[in-house]
Amino acid sequence: EAQVTQNPRYLITVTGKKLTVTCSQNMNHEYMSWYRQDPGLGLRQIYYSMNVEATDKGDVPEGYKVSRKEKRNFPLILESPSPNQTSLYFCASRPGLYSPLHFGNGTRLTVT
Amino acid sequence: AQRVTQPEKLLSVFKGAPVELKCNYSYSGSPELFWYVQYSRQRLQLLLRHISRESIKGFTADLNKGETSFHLKKPFAQEEDSAMYYCALSGGAQKLVFGQGTRLTINP
Repeated sequence: EAQVTQNPRYLITVTGKKLTVTCSQNMNHEYMSWYRQDPGLGLRQIYYSMNVEATDKGDVPEGYKVSRKEKRNFPLILESPSPNQTSLYFCASRPGLYSPLHFGNGTRLTVT
Repeated sequence: AQRVTQPEKLLSVFKGAPVELKCNYSYSGSPELFWYVQYSRQRLQLLLRHISRESIKGFTADLNKGETSFHLKKPFAQEEDSAMYYCALSGGAQKLVFGQGTRLTINP
């Protein structure tokens, strides 16, 4: 089944403890992206990647890192999480510039 | 710069009534516009895109370049339409910009 898989679905952590949220897609999509969803703010793009070893900042990249060493994987790294990064995170992929996005199920992160 | 505005955070209508979710965009080129929907406890999924000119689940959306709008419409709302709706714009770059979202509630 074609899908975008994120792990974990839920994560509770403490301030400053490094964490990684994984994202994998099996559709051979070149483009992948991370979003955070916050009430009243909608979806905001954190980082995106147009292909392997090609990543770029979105609208809210501060406090996040990403890597794209393989086409299928696009992990989101929080080196030192803070409470303002408590949010619902979505990974997404698409095959081309004007194609619709395929979303993962989301990761609900709580930083205390 | 690309920008998408959904002026209504919340919209509540009765079952059987018409629905219109507003979306306005700002982009200097030729935009590709989408509507995504998120049902309760589910992932975001594509509802429709303007280039397809199709009706999905009774919803339609017409791109109005003069008014820079892409409003989503349905003539008769159903309870299962209750969800969060996002308008999104893809311009020349690889960014896909989303609006703030409108939570639609259909009352029985």
